[in-house]
Amino acid sequence: DTAVSQTPKYLVTQMGNDKSIKCEQNLGHDTMYWYKQDSKKFLKIMFSYNNKELIINETVPNRFSPKSPDKAHLNLHINSLELGDSAVYFCASSDSGGAHEQYFGPGTRLTVT
Amino acid sequence: GENVEQHPSTLSVQEGDSAVIKCTYSDSASNYFPWYKQELGKRPQLIIDIRSNVGEKKDQRIAVTLNKTAKHFSLHITETQPEDSAVYFCAASPSNDYKLSFGAGTTVTVRA
Repeated sequence: DTAVSQTPKYLVTQMGNDKSIKCEQNLGHDTMYWYKQDSKKFLKIMFSYNNKELIINETVPNRFSPKSPDKAHLNLHINSLELGDSAVYFCASSDSGGAHEQYFGPGTRLTVT
Repeated sequence: GENVEQHPSTLSVQEGDSAVIKCTYSDSASNYFPWYKQELGKRPQLIIDIRSNVGEKKDQRIAVTLNKTAKHFSLHITETQPEDSAVYFCAASPSNDYKLSFGAGTTVTVRA
């Protein structure tokens, strides 16, 4: 059974395009996250939602817009893609609060050419 | 906010030897300290965690120690095996905060 799933796994696109990444979890968690992992492997939190409410919004360009239609889904839409957006994007979920294990999705490798 | 520093950035050990990774944190309110392992091309996965009411925790070949006074915690891997080769991340969080602050990661290579 897949706990946290993301689609697509790979995304290759040109600069200026708009793309979306979808995430779903079947763990019954009420908190979901988006992380960006760059080429140096650093895991940087971007957004977090708790019960569909945005609770973490790090310094991220407003070209990135998360949407949580329900507790089990968290999508990420990126407008006007730039070369620097190339990275692996991980979705994760956990029970409420930071002091719980976060379960990561398989990641989406985004390449902007 | 919380700032987590992790050392070393790379670590090469002979199979069977021990590996130690050290992290320091800045926010005295942090009381949850997980360690994640990320194999090449895979997702990060929790391997062990410790809370501030505990000084040490072991799970088979891995152990974590915590020194709240000095604000540092460490991961110890004994009898390393090739499958221990991965990137390891430490992290810290206050229990009432949703944000988990990660260290920069340590790439561990176990030489056969």
